Amino acid sequence: AQKITQTQPGMFVQEKEAVTLDCTYDTSDPSYGLFWYKQPSSGEMIFLIYQGSYDQQNATEGRYSLNFQKARKSANLVISASQLGDSAMYFCAMREGARNAGNMLTFGGGTRLMVKP
Amino acid sequence: DTEVTQTPKHLVMGMTNKKSLKCEQHMGHRAMYWYKQKAKKPPELMFVYSYEKLSINESVPSRFSPECPNSSLLNLHLHALQPEDSALYLCASSQAGHRFESNQPQHFGDGTRLSIL
Repeated sequence: AQKITQTQPGMFVQEKEAVTLDCTYDTSDPSYGLFWYKQPSSGEMIFLIYQGSYDQQNATEGRYSLNFQKARKSANLVISASQLGDSAMYFCAMREGARNAGNMLTFGGGTRLMVKP
Repeated sequence: DTEVTQTPKHLVMGMTNKKSLKCEQHMGHRAMYWYKQKAKKPPELMFVYSYEKLSINESVPSRFSPECPNSSLLNLHLHALQPEDSALYLCASSQAGHRFESNQPQHFGDGTRLSIL
């Protein structure tokens, strides 16, 4: 079974509008962390935002926020006021506490976001 | 510019060649990683080094040989590769040794685009 699922292979959003990228996860570990990365066509993986399993509040980082629903095991990324430069692949990733030699990550399949002018 | 530097950015090699990919970071991270990423897929973990020792080898063929000469450098030696090894190879680094207290992300380089003829 997949541990991280991103159900949207591709999405379009109009410039300046908000967009939500979905991520659901599966773990039995009580301690885990969820990360979102952006990968432009250049290839670099850029860290965007982190949510810990014990965090009481949803994470926010500038135009990025995380809609964390622990009971539903979802950690959706919300990008507000989309910009053309937001066009990229977005990966959701999880780090579980039990197998944590060097903070290993499990990645979802990714969502390609395309921002329309 | 990323804090993790990978060289070369592009590499074309024949199946009988020997080459090396290099990765360098100066963030004081003691965990370093090699990932392989095929087009439109998430990164796949290959190796993890923790405190300069190989801690995880994800059943990678022996034609890939990692080396960590010191805490700042990570190499991937390539020999007798196959056409299916053509991919983007990403290096990453992070803090190590903290079982889950850390929310620190992995920091990625720009990658090396490898083509096997």
